[in-house]
Amino acid sequence: AQSVTQLDSHVSVSEGTPVLLRCNYSSSYSPSLFWYVQHPNKGLQLLLKYTSAATLVKGINGFEAEFKKSETSFHLTKPSAHMSDAAEYFCVVSEGQAGTALIFGKGTTLSVSS
Amino acid sequence: KAGVTQTPRYLIKTRGQQVTLSCSPISGHRSVSWYQQTPGQGLQFLFEYFSETQRNKGNFPGRFSGRQFSNSRSEMNVSTLELGDSALYLCASSSRGTSGKTGELFFGEGSRLTVL
Repeated sequence: AQSVTQLDSHVSVSEGTPVLLRCNYSSSYSPSLFWYVQHPNKGLQLLLKYTSAATLVKGINGFEAEFKKSETSFHLTKPSAHMSDAAEYFCVVSEGQAGTALIFGKGTTLSVSS
Repeated sequence: KAGVTQTPRYLIKTRGQQVTLSCSPISGHRSVSWYQQTPGQGLQFLFEYFSETQRNKGNFPGRFSGRQFSNSRSEMNVSTLELGDSALYLCASSSRGTSGKTGELFFGEGSRLTVL
């Protein structure tokens, strides 16, 4: 069975400092991996996705993630945090070709202080 | 291009009642999926519809059902509501076809259901 584990439930950074949100996955297949962001009282927005092309994936708003098969990790990073980055972030794995059933991690709340 | 629209945005029901939630996907998207979000369980997949057919179903009781119409609009229904059904129900649409890996899902803002 596929699953994702987000290693931190809450991350706090100062504005202008780097962001690292950690995610490990478990998958029997060649996985499709995603990061989604959810701002308060809003739906989810796709930040980036990995689908077996380049292992370093660039997303929106300066975020990027690196797929490391040997470590089964897909950590999300950003060089410099902005106040508007404060939100909840979800690491997600799909069931591959079985459908659009996404398996979500529990989420990491990112707080950004000035 | 209009996004995914869910109605109603908020609703309150009592135990034992039933509820129907509606989702209008992005124009041209034929795949619609539903997710339940709660503080305790997080985001969980309910089901996916493509061209009026349910293609995938999560691990939820039969009280949870859905359907999709010929215009791709979808509804989900929860019968005999329980307190634990209080949640944010999110609908997502995708242009994904009949095969191939998962593409991008576009989510609506959700319908927040409170069961008293």
